[in-house]
Amino acid sequence: AQKITQTQPGMFVQEKEAVTLDCTYDTSDPSYGLFWYKQPSSGEMIFLIYQGSYDQQNATEGRYSLNFQKARKSANLVISASQLGDSAMYFCAMREGLGGYQKVTFGTGTKLQVIP
Amino acid sequence: GAGVSQTPSNKVTEKGKYVELRCDPISGHTALYWYRQSLGQGPEFLIYFQGTGAADDSGLPNDRFFAVRPEGSVSTLKIQRTERGDSAVYLCASSLTAGGGDTQYFGPGTRLTVL
Repeated sequence: AQKITQTQPGMFVQEKEAVTLDCTYDTSDPSYGLFWYKQPSSGEMIFLIYQGSYDQQNATEGRYSLNFQKARKSANLVISASQLGDSAMYFCAMREGLGGYQKVTFGTGTKLQVIP
Repeated sequence: GAGVSQTPSNKVTEKGKYVELRCDPISGHTALYWYRQSLGQGPEFLIYFQGTGAADDSGLPNDRFFAVRPEGSVSTLKIQRTERGDSAVYLCASSLTAGGGDTQYFGPGTRLTVL
């Protein structure tokens, strides 16, 4: 079974609008961390936001927020006030276990295109 | 401060040749990771170093792939007898440590093309 599922291969959003990128995950470990990365056409993976499984509040970083629904095992990324520079691939990732080393598993990504 | 750097940015080689890809992590980061990203996919884990030692090499696809980090800083990914299927972007990442919510910071990648 896929540990990270991103069901939207591509998304379009109008500039200045908000957009939600979906991510669901599968784990039986009660301790885990969830990450979102942005990959522009230049290729570099840029860290956006992190949510730990025990965090009480949804993570926010500027225009990025993570809609964490633990019971549904979903960790959707919300980008508010989209900008043209937000056009990129977005990857959701998970690390199972919070103590010591654990592998990070990535989803297949969602390509976001912001329309002027 | 300086981020993760990788050289070369692009490498074209012929089938059967040997290649080395270099990663220079963020200063002070003890954990270093190599990933491979094929077109249309997310990064796929290859190997993890804690300091000088390869703590997890379970992602290396076969014995043609090898990586070293002799002084606990710069790492080199080595691929012997390259095959066309090795063509991909090879990403390196580093983190302060390897636990908890430590974030991995990625380099720009090396695009390897095997002809």
